[in-house]
Amino acid sequence: EAGVTQSPTHLIKTRGQQVTLRCSPISGHTSVYWYQQALGLGLQFLLWYDEGEERNRGNFPPRFSGRQFPNYSSELNVNALELEDSALYLCASSSGQGAYNQPQHFGDGTRLSIL
Amino acid sequence: EDQVTQSPEALRLQEGESSSLNCSYTVSGLRGLFWYRQDPGKGPEFLFTLYSAGEEKEKERLKATLTKKESFLHITAPKPEDSATYLCAVHGSAGTALIFGKGTTLSVSS
Repeated sequence: EAGVTQSPTHLIKTRGQQVTLRCSPISGHTSVYWYQQALGLGLQFLLWYDEGEERNRGNFPPRFSGRQFPNYSSELNVNALELEDSALYLCASSSGQGAYNQPQHFGDGTRLSIL
Repeated sequence: EDQVTQSPEALRLQEGESSSLNCSYTVSGLRGLFWYRQDPGKGPEFLFTLYSAGEEKEKERLKATLTKKESFLHITAPKPEDSATYLCAVHGSAGTALIFGKGTTLSVSS
């Protein structure tokens, strides 16, 4: 069974640019989560999508947005990039409608560097 | 405020030297505590889910336990391949998004 896949694996951007990251969940999973892992800060929750709808978002500005497609894949968009956006962006998926008894399984992330 | 604190931040062990990692949590109504392992440059790999105080789960040299305020990850006779960062997480009060601790980086030398 294929795991969560993310693309691209690495990106280098400059301040003010925009970026789109992509995630394909495990087959059969309907919930997709996005997390940011910045150096020294640990994993921080960004966004949760389930059945095509945004269900919850973390404490991040509106320039972080995304969507979920009918095939449950997801995109994370970041506008007006700032230096502090440099981080590993992780996508996770789980089965069920965000059920609490289902673990989240993670991809290997996209490493975003802002110059 | 939901919070997860892990200790120690770093732990160095000799091969075969057993030890424990701690995860203390503050959340309104625990709905699941999760342990993950993360290798450098990789995403977190799911290890265990614990739901209620007294519950224990085991996998090879790892054993996770849960009380009402904290969880322990016991590592018995570790090997160098157990070297990784171990992350603890709980469901936040607002939904199923996970609140993570900053992790314990374990180094096992032969």
